[in-house]
Parts: sequence; C-alpha cells; structure tokens
Amino acid sequence: EDQVTQSPEALRLQEGESSSLNCSYTVSGLRGLFWYRQDPGKGPEFLFTLYSAGEEKEKERLKATLTKKESFLHITAPKPEDSATYLCAVSATNKLIFGTGTLLAVQP
Amino acid sequence: EAQVTQNPRYLITVTGKKLTVTCSQNMNHEYMSWYRQDPGLGLRQIYYSMNVEVTDKGDVPEGYKVSRKEKRNFPLILESPSPNQTSLYFCASSFNAQPNTEAFFGQGTRLTVV
Repeated sequence: EDQVTQSPEALRLQEGESSSLNCSYTVSGLRGLFWYRQDPGKGPEFLFTLYSAGEEKEKERLKATLTKKESFLHITAPKPEDSATYLCAVSATNKLIFGTGTLLAVQP
Repeated sequence: EAQVTQNPRYLITVTGKKLTVTCSQNMNHEYMSWYRQDPGLGLRQIYYSMNVEVTDKGDVPEGYKVSRKEKRNFPLILESPSPNQTSLYFCASSFNAQPNTEAFFGQGTRLTVV
C-alpha cells in the first residue's frame, strides 16, 4: 500500500537553530515527491518537486533532498516567519498521497 | 491572477440537506481534485478528474459526488450530509493529466454538519 510518513509531528526551534524534517515513503512507481507549506486556515502552498534520488532543490532557507526511500527538508537558520505546517506528498498512479505534516514553530 | 477559487469559505448545514461546494480554476489545468483535511489524518483525496467527463474515486469517496462538465469547474456535491463529513475541504488543480507537477490549492471550505 502506498504510504507517506512524516516526522516529527511537531518541532519547536529557536530562531537561527537549523534542523531537518523527514518524509519517508513507500510507493510503487514514484512520479514525483512534493513539499508544501500550509499556514493556519489556508490552502497548501507549493515549495518543491523532486523526481529522482539524489536530486536537491533550494529556496531561501529551505533545501529539499531525495533518496529512494525518504526526503528531507532542511531548514537553515530559521526565522519566526518560517513557522507553518510542512506537508510532504508523493504522486503515484493518478493520485497525490499526503503525509500528516510537521508543525514547525520558530521562536524569536 | 492564476488561482483556484472555492465557494463558500464557511458553511454550516443540517444533516441531510443537499449542498454543493464550487471550485473553479483559471489556469487551463487538466487535473483537478478534492481533499478533506482532518486533525491527525492529514489531507485525504476524495475524488479526482484527469480531464473533462473523466472522474474517479480517491481514498475517501463515500457520501460525495463530483462532476466535470467543463475544464475549469469541478463541484463537490454532498447529497445527504452527515456529521462525519464535518471537515476542511480543499480543491486543487495541476497542469498535467497526471498529478506529477505542482498542485495549486483553493482557500478551503470549512463545513460543519449539525
């Protein structure tokens, strides 16, 4: 069965304290792995797409990496405005399958 | 502005009273889908459509209907809503018929069934 698991469920960081979020997946025929950011009461907002193992993408303080079994979202020197829920999703067989997300809180 | 528009944003209804949540996109996207989001369960796909007149069930389709008569619109219909359908609903669209490109999400519809 296709499945996406994110960890940790919640993460609290001090401003400037770097860390990583994990997304592990089991899927037959991966067509893409996605990272989204979701603010309270809003729809998810696209961050990255990764298609093959070894691929990396960066945007400001965020960097996403992909292996054959998992993806990491690295956050370098986070700021309070990076506080949000980060969602991972995989595309397989006509569907997007989401993890339950990591709630990130960055304290000043 | 490229966007996915859902209406209404908030809805409180009673058990059994049919309702429709509208979704429209202005990006000429092939793929559209509906999700519900519940605490601890994440986003779960209800129905999706790969093109006009082509729809299929997602992971939690029971109690819902959809139609895709035009490329831009993908309404979600609850024929007889029940309290377990109280949730936050999102419509999304993406360019390809396969969802392997970024999805654009609407603002969400918070539905309460009493």
